[in-house]
Amino acid sequence: DAGVIQSPRHEVTEMGQEVTLRCKPISGHNSLFWYRQTMMRGLELLIYFNNNVPIDDSGMPEDRFSAKMPNASFSTLKIQPSEPRDSAVYFCASSFKGGKNTEAFFGQGTRLTVV
Amino acid sequence: AQTVTQSQPEMSVQEAETVTLSCTYDTSESDYYLFWYKQPPSRQMILVIRQEAYKQQNATENRFSVNFQKAAKSFSLKISDSQLGDAAMYFCAYRSEGTGTASKLTFGTGTRLQVTL
Repeated sequence: DAGVIQSPRHEVTEMGQEVTLRCKPISGHNSLFWYRQTMMRGLELLIYFNNNVPIDDSGMPEDRFSAKMPNASFSTLKIQPSEPRDSAVYFCASSFKGGKNTEAFFGQGTRLTVV
Repeated sequence: AQTVTQSQPEMSVQEAETVTLSCTYDTSESDYYLFWYKQPPSRQMILVIRQEAYKQQNATENRFSVNFQKAAKSFSLKISDSQLGDAAMYFCAYRSEGTGTASKLTFGTGTRLQVTL
């Protein structure tokens, strides 16, 4: 398996622009997580899905952030409009939640810079 | 809510020596997992080791082992025979395992490990 795949690896955008981050989880995993990593706040959970359904989005900072999971193999995190304070590394992770839960496997992250 | 505390922002160890990274957590749950993740400069999050709370035996993975003290809510990571490739940020993480609970990870703030010659 190729692991969790995120794109793009790096994104530089101007303030006010829309940004879309993409994630392909590991095949067979039914839980997907979006995390944000900054120096100030460390690793924060933004939202997670179970069986494509958003379970907890309490970590989504503002209405400018939205996430979707239209099917088991794809998820997006969108920021519209973007602001400089959104600059961070965004990780997607997936795991299997069931009789025996697996550990979370992380993608390589997207480094977002908003100028 | 569960919290994870790593009180050592930075640690340093000489190559071939042993180092222990500390982690404490707070929870009222009895069924949970604890993890150590490594994040090298490439920023990839790599699972190092995991411990199931109901298991008394400490987990080991080659040069990596944990000291799990459930009553004290302590979960330290010991790295033996340190290698240059062990230099990274290390994150302690907690996950609930009870029925109906979220499978999300709660992370500590991390410990940056330097390995010197």
